[in-house]
Amino acid sequence: EILMTQSPATLSVSPGERATLSCRASQSVYTNLAWYQQKPGQAPRLLIYGASTRATGIPARFSGSGSGTEFTLTISSLQSEDFAVYYCQQYNNWPWAFGQGTKVEIK
Amino acid sequence: QVQLQESGPGLVKPSQTLSLTCTVSGGSISSGSYYWSWIRQPAGKGLEWIGRIYISGSTKYNPSLKSRVTISVDTSKNQFSLRLSSVTAADTAVYYCARGLLWPDYWGQGTLVTVSS
Repeated sequence: EILMTQSPATLSVSPGERATLSCRASQSVYTNLAWYQQKPGQAPRLLIYGASTRATGIPARFSGSGSGTEFTLTISSLQSEDFAVYYCQQYNNWPWAFGQGTKVEIK
Repeated sequence: QVQLQESGPGLVKPSQTLSLTCTVSGGSISSGSYYWSWIRQPAGKGLEWIGRIYISGSTKYNPSLKSRVTISVDTSKNQFSLRLSSVTAADTAVYYCARGLLWPDYWGQGTLVTVSS
């Protein structure tokens, strides 16, 4: 099974600042990686798939990069609605698996 | 707009079987090349993939749960279902159904299932 590790566990950022979230896979997943945003009491929302392709309706301030084992989600200028937990997910090997999440909180 | 809605008992006794149904509206469960998945999330914790089913009926289950899980589809009702047997307190979680290619793009709102006597 592929283990997904996200860092940091918590990221404190001021509104308008840039946030950089990391996700590492225990073996290569090529670009078979997605990112999700989850707010309290809500289901996850797809942000990125294919490591770098934004899902329908996702603002351009969200961008994904990376391949192999190292991936990054960047939020260029944090808005109030972006404070949430973010998960990466690999779909290269079954069982598909999520990282443990990074909480982006207001500094 | 596709919508998914989970339904089923919110309380299940230990050693019994958890049964949930996901009803799909706004589109046919038979159309497209989608996987229909069950994913769960214990309170305050991360997401765990339980399993997925393709419209052909082909299934894949998480090895950690494989011996206890069955996912099935009923195209006539536009639904798919989850059965998880021999539940314990560790199975207490919010259970989500979801649709996607390889990445779920539509999710249900989730349903809390508590395992307790």
